[in-house]
Amino acid sequence: GQNIDQPTEMTATEGAIVQINCTYQTSGFNGLFWYQQHAGEAPTFLSYNVLDGLEEKGRFSSFLSRSKGYSYLLLKELQMKDSASYLCAVTDSNYQLIWGAGTKLIIKP
Amino acid sequence: GAVVSQHPSRVICKSGTSVKIECRSLDFQATTMFWYRQFPKKSLMLMATSNEGSKATYEQGVEKDKFLINHASLTLSTLTVTSAHPEDSSFYICSAKGAKDYNEQFFGPGTRLTVL
Repeated sequence: GQNIDQPTEMTATEGAIVQINCTYQTSGFNGLFWYQQHAGEAPTFLSYNVLDGLEEKGRFSSFLSRSKGYSYLLLKELQMKDSASYLCAVTDSNYQLIWGAGTKLIIKP
Repeated sequence: GAVVSQHPSRVICKSGTSVKIECRSLDFQATTMFWYRQFPKKSLMLMATSNEGSKATYEQGVEKDKFLINHASLTLSTLTVTSAHPEDSSFYICSAKGAKDYNEQFFGPGTRLTVL
């Protein structure tokens, strides 16, 4: 079956760095997305990885290792507004998007 | 670019009534649109995939007669919750996929449905 695993909840301190991991087992792979979702709002796009390596975009970076079925989202210089759920999603061989359950990130002052 | 709107943003209705939710891609043509449901503190659950001009493909466990989906044009898809009941109360989100290389989905702002 298809499976996406990510931690349910993480806590970090304002100004610090946090890494949210995602492992996946899917039938085929056509890219991995990270989305941010604030409570009561729709998800917003953060990053897309289809090749191995690190993609950096401001305070956020996303890493992918296809051989390990592994990705992480790295958030630097954490701000209170970064408190949200972070969703990992993989596009499978049929270009269907398989969603993880999301990681709730709590930022403390 | 790639903006998706959803209307209404919030609706409260009585049990037994039907509610229609519209999803529009404002600045691109969406060949495929997706309808998701999200219960509090839960992840997105794909309900159905709709392609313009054809019947929607429903996920297992989603009643196609209860959740009617119409994708009549490349910029509009509608979801009608028929004979709504309190257990249908949820956050409904649509997304649209254009003709980009990496199949990114662009999400609407969501519709909060409360059935009394």
